[in-house]
Order: sequence, then C-alpha cells, then structure tokens
Amino acid sequence: DVKVTQSSRYLVKRTGEKVFLECVQDMDHENMFWYRQDPGLGLRLIYFSYDVKMKEKGDIPEGYSVSREKKERFSLILESASTNQTSMYLCASMAGNTGELFFGEGSRLTVL
Amino acid sequence: AQSVSQHNHHVILSEAASLELGCNYSYGGTVNLFWYVQYPGQHLQLLLKYFSGDPLVKGIKGFEAEFIKSKFSFNLRKPSVQWSDTAEYFCAVISSGSARQLTFGSGTQLTVLP
Repeated sequence: DVKVTQSSRYLVKRTGEKVFLECVQDMDHENMFWYRQDPGLGLRLIYFSYDVKMKEKGDIPEGYSVSREKKERFSLILESASTNQTSMYLCASMAGNTGELFFGEGSRLTVL
Repeated sequence: AQSVSQHNHHVILSEAASLELGCNYSYGGTVNLFWYVQYPGQHLQLLLKYFSGDPLVKGIKGFEAEFIKSKFSFNLRKPSVQWSDTAEYFCAVISSGSARQLTFGSGTQLTVLP
C-alpha cells in the first residue's frame, strides 16, 4: 500500500514559535505538495516541490517556507506562527503529472 | 487562471435518495479530472478519476461521474446513498501536464440522514 506519513496529527503552538511539519512518502514520487484545508475554502496550495531542492510557491505561501533535502521528505516550516495559521495541513505526493494525489492524514495545528 | 466550481456547499439527503454533485471547470484544453472524498476523521482519498476514453467513469462504493466536455462539467452521481457516504467531496482538475496546475473546488459536504 502506498503511504504518505505526516509526523504530527495534532500540534498546539504559541504565537511566534517556529513550527516544523514533516511529511514522508514511500512511492518514489517526484512531486510533493503542502495544502492548507479550511472550512468553506477547500484546499489551498501553499508550496509544491517537483524535485529534491526544487520548490515553487503555491497560492498562499506567505508566512511559510519548505525544505526538500531528500526525495521522500518534504517539510513545511512556519518561521513565526500566528493565530491565522491555525488550520489543517495536508501533505500529498503525486504520481508523475497525472494529478492523482496521495494524501497524508493531516496535521491539525492550533496557534494560541 | 483555471478555476473549479462546486455549486453545492452542503447537501443533505435521506438514505436511498439519489445524489448528484456538480463540478464545473474553466480550462478549455485537455484535462484530467478527479473526485476525492474525505470521510469524517480520515484522510482525503481518491474516489474516481478521468484521464481519457469513456466519459462515464466508475469509482469506489458505487459512485460514478460523467465528463461532458461541451459543458466543462464532471458531475458525481450515486443512485442510492447510504449513511456511510456522509463525507466531504472535492472535485479537482489538472491541465497542461503540469503538476502545478492541479486545482481543487471548494468542496461539498454531504450529510446522509439514516
């Protein structure tokens, strides 16, 4: 079974803290994604990586950065968490450029 | 910019009712189309997909979707819903063979009453 694993299901952080969200896939996919899911807004793309050390900004990159040092691992970083970053964060990998995504279980972040 | 519209934000049905969820997209070229589902407390998973060929595609759990190119639509259907179909459903479209060009709709919450 294909698998995308997100390191933390639930996190509670304080405003100004640095937050790391880790994601690992075991499918040897080139493309990996970080989305943010909020009620009524669907999935919004934060960052996308198409290869090791390669990344592109998505629709809402402000306040976020990413790291892809190895093909299987894609990390999302919040340098200084703010309350408006309280959300569900979804990592996904894609088979080629087909559009078919494999999602992790999500990381629910609460920033106090 | 490409967009995907899901017109129904929340649909409430009784068990055994028929379901149709609308999805329209704006891109005029070649597309791949998807419906993803998120059951309560679970991760998003693929329900069905269309790449080419027969425009009527069948997915898991009795769902099907029809691609109508002239209408830029990819509506999801199920003849008889069950309580276990309660979930959020997302339509997604990718164009141009670029992974970056995948766009999601805003989602439809389906509640099936027992």
